[in-house]
Amino acid sequence: GAVVSQHPSWVICKSGTSVKIECRSLDFQATTMFWYRQFPKQSLMLMATSNEGSKATYEQGVEKDKFLINHASLTLSTLTVTSAHPEDSSFYICSARPYREPGGELFFGEGSRLTVL
Amino acid sequence: QQQVKQSPQSLIVQKGGISIINCAYENTAFDYFPWYQQFPGKGPALLIAIRPDVSEKKEGRFTISFNKSAKQFSLHIMDSQPGDSATYFCAASKAGGYQKVTFGTGTKLQVIP
Repeated sequence: GAVVSQHPSWVICKSGTSVKIECRSLDFQATTMFWYRQFPKQSLMLMATSNEGSKATYEQGVEKDKFLINHASLTLSTLTVTSAHPEDSSFYICSARPYREPGGELFFGEGSRLTVL
Repeated sequence: QQQVKQSPQSLIVQKGGISIINCAYENTAFDYFPWYQQFPGKGPALLIAIRPDVSEKKEGRFTISFNKSAKQFSLHIMDSQPGDSATYFCAASKAGGYQKVTFGTGTKLQVIP
């Protein structure tokens, strides 16, 4: 199956710093990628839909200025957690669909665990 | 508003038994119903998916049963194995375009020897 790669897989940072997480589709192109956040023992909550070449669409309650999303190419989307605080500590997961199959399978990255001290 | 409801929250099954997880949805515009398996510290992986034009889909030990009129679908894991121990999420999305996927609350399955 298709592969979605996330980097880094885990990161620890100090409160107030910014952290960038990359999501790459390795063997397909994706005009749309999705960013999810998952707290321990909970489901995946969609944060935003990342659209190549345009602004991301954020879900209700997600701070646009806190979670900056950039989808610079058909294979790369980045999530930047700005001025991170301990409450931002979570498991962040991206996903993507091959653009030729808009209604098909959604492939997920391995996730990035962020710990803010 | 929870658009996809999943039960049970946790499930313990003996090796060789049948694991059954149920989901119900509200939005009749949903057109694609996947099940994902997630191991601790990993991203979800697609297990099996169904569209509403069929009532059942089987892949190996995994079967989805779909009841369009009741707006319910379920995952059956036959001959459950300890390696199946994971968290399972049902999900749903609308047809067409680049629609987002809405996840259920998850079921933690433990298969005991």
